[in-house]
Amino acid sequence: DQQVKQNSPSLSVQEGRISILNCDYTNSMFDYFLWYKKYPAEGPTFLISISSIKDKNEDGRFTVFLNKSAKHLSLHIVPSQPGDSAVYFCAASGRTGNQFYFGTGTSLTVIP
Amino acid sequence: NAGVTQTPKFQVLKTGQSMTLQCAQDMNHNSMYWYRQDPGMGLRLIYYSASEGTTDKGEVPNGYNVSRLNKREFSLRLESAAPSQTSVYFCASRRSPLASTDTQYFGPGTRLTVL
Repeated sequence: DQQVKQNSPSLSVQEGRISILNCDYTNSMFDYFLWYKKYPAEGPTFLISISSIKDKNEDGRFTVFLNKSAKHLSLHIVPSQPGDSAVYFCAASGRTGNQFYFGTGTSLTVIP
Repeated sequence: NAGVTQTPKFQVLKTGQSMTLQCAQDMNHNSMYWYRQDPGMGLRLIYYSASEGTTDKGEVPNGYNVSRLNKREFSLRLESAAPSQTSVYFCASRRSPLASTDTQYFGPGTRLTVL
């Protein structure tokens, strides 16, 4: 059973606007959450993370929000740029940190 | 630094054939991982090695074996390939097995087709 879910397979956004990618999880033992970005024919690369003790983490244009009561996290990209077009995976791990559970990915297209 | 390298990039096998996927990292990381990515399934952990000399099963270990040859290298073996093992395989490494905040670094992937 999928413990981390990304219910939107794709998203299209105009350049300069905000992109919001969503992720839900079912395991309340998860305490660390990450977003990865993946271009075609490449491996995923780390984008941003958040610990369960926080509800927001920012890094430049990227902000991740965590709502533990709803078991939901989101990635905001502002402003969106064409180079942001990629597949975004959210991932989660528990306290031991050795097993990471990935969502199915959301393909973001930023239209110039 | 090459980071995480994987060989081969592409492979086609017939059902029942065996092969080994190779992975190496030059970042002096302790932990290494093998994932498979299938359409609509995301990345799923096959096996991992928290440190040199140890290996553990992940979510989907059936049909696979692994060897942590040394600190740099972690190989994945398919003893008798099946069409259900058609997938893209990613190797990853991480500095510490203890700190959940350590990032995983991924290789470029191996695209495997089993006919």
